[in-house]
Amino acid sequence: GQSLEQPSEVTAVEGAIVQINCTYQTSGFYGLSWYQQHDGGAPTFLSYNALDGLEETGRFSSFLSRSDSYGYLLLQELQMKDSASYFCAVRVAGGKLIFGQGTELSVKP
Amino acid sequence: EAQVTQNPRYLITVTGKKLTVTCSQNMNHEYMSWYRQDPGLGLRQIYYSMNVEVTDKGDVPEGYKVSRKEKRNFPLILESPSPNQTSLYFCASSSGAGGAYEQYFGPGTRLTVT
Repeated sequence: GQSLEQPSEVTAVEGAIVQINCTYQTSGFYGLSWYQQHDGGAPTFLSYNALDGLEETGRFSSFLSRSDSYGYLLLQELQMKDSASYFCAVRVAGGKLIFGQGTELSVKP
Repeated sequence: EAQVTQNPRYLITVTGKKLTVTCSQNMNHEYMSWYRQDPGLGLRQIYYSMNVEVTDKGDVPEGYKVSRKEKRNFPLILESPSPNQTSLYFCASSSGAGGAYEQYFGPGTRLTVT
């Protein structure tokens, strides 16, 4: 089968840095995406990696290692509003997307 | 304003009563997709469409139908809903296929089947 593994929960304090890992086992791989979702609202796109390396967008960065079938989302200078669920997703073929189960991030003051 | 709209937002229905959840986008996107979200299971893709008249199964298509007759609309049809289809449903669209392109999600439809 196809699967993505991410931690179910992560807790950090305001101002800190947190890393959310995602490992995947899929038949086919076109790239790894990250989405943020607040309290059951609409998910919003954060980043996409197709090639190995680090992509930086403001306080958020995303990393991919295709040889290790692994990626992570790095959140810096954490703010309370970053408390949300974070999902990694892999495009496997055509338009098919597989999502991880999500990581609930709690940011404490 | 660029957006994806879904209707209804909330629906309580009974087993076996056919229903349709509509999805519409105003961004001229080619790619559209339906997901269901259940606690602890993340988002699971039901069906997707690469363009008009082109649809394909995602991970959990059983019990669902879709159609893409126009670019802007992508309705989800439950011919005979069952309680295991109680879930939060999201429609999404993007200018291209899959993960490379930013997907815009609708606000969600919370469906309860009794």
